[in-house]
Amino acid sequence: QQQVKQSPQSLIVQKGGISIINCAYENTAFDYFPWYQQFPGKGPALLIAIRPDVSEKKEGRFTISFNKSAKQFSLHIMDSQPGDSATYFCAAFSYGQNFVFGPGTRLSVLP
Amino acid sequence: KAGVTQTPRYLIKTRGQQVTLSCSPISGHRSVSWYQQTPGQGLQFLFEYFSETQRNKGNFPGRFSGRQFSNSRSEMNVSTLELGDSALYLCASSPTESSGANVLTFGAGSRLTVL
Repeated sequence: QQQVKQSPQSLIVQKGGISIINCAYENTAFDYFPWYQQFPGKGPALLIAIRPDVSEKKEGRFTISFNKSAKQFSLHIMDSQPGDSATYFCAAFSYGQNFVFGPGTRLSVLP
Repeated sequence: KAGVTQTPRYLIKTRGQQVTLSCSPISGHRSVSWYQQTPGQGLQFLFEYFSETQRNKGNFPGRFSGRQFSNSRSEMNVSTLELGDSALYLCASSPTESSGANVLTFGAGSRLTVL
């Protein structure tokens, strides 16, 4: 019940295209859902996050869509750029517990 | 403001040895969490320390241990190393307990290779 599933494992997108990464969870106690971006040789860095009281959050080219009833959330990267090539992790969190991370999605944006 | 600093960045050990990794959190951050990152497994939670006390522990064997000092710096130790311990070990700090802060800032990690 603590697991967060993430798909796809890897994703190749053309420059200017839309990248979509999906995550699903089981524990309804989770109340905070961040996405982390990790470049090679670096630690993960917070990209964008959402709470379940909203269905969508947008920051620049990055959007989180959240479906509470389906217990799913996704990251959309609009106008994907080669600089977006990285590994993306979704995560879930609830008060009093530690963060639970998905297995990651390796995104490659072709120039 | 300096970020989370982890040392060493790379190290090679042989089976049966032990290793100690160090993490200096962002100044003022009192919570330090440790994660193991392996291909395909993502980030697996090891433990969290707050004010020198272990607050949470993940599902890892007792060979994995840690501690936190009064200045919030943390160390983790792995004894009797196994080949499967080869991984990137990440440290993350947050202003208070991660249970309340919601924001983790990660270091660049310590890459451990066990031969």
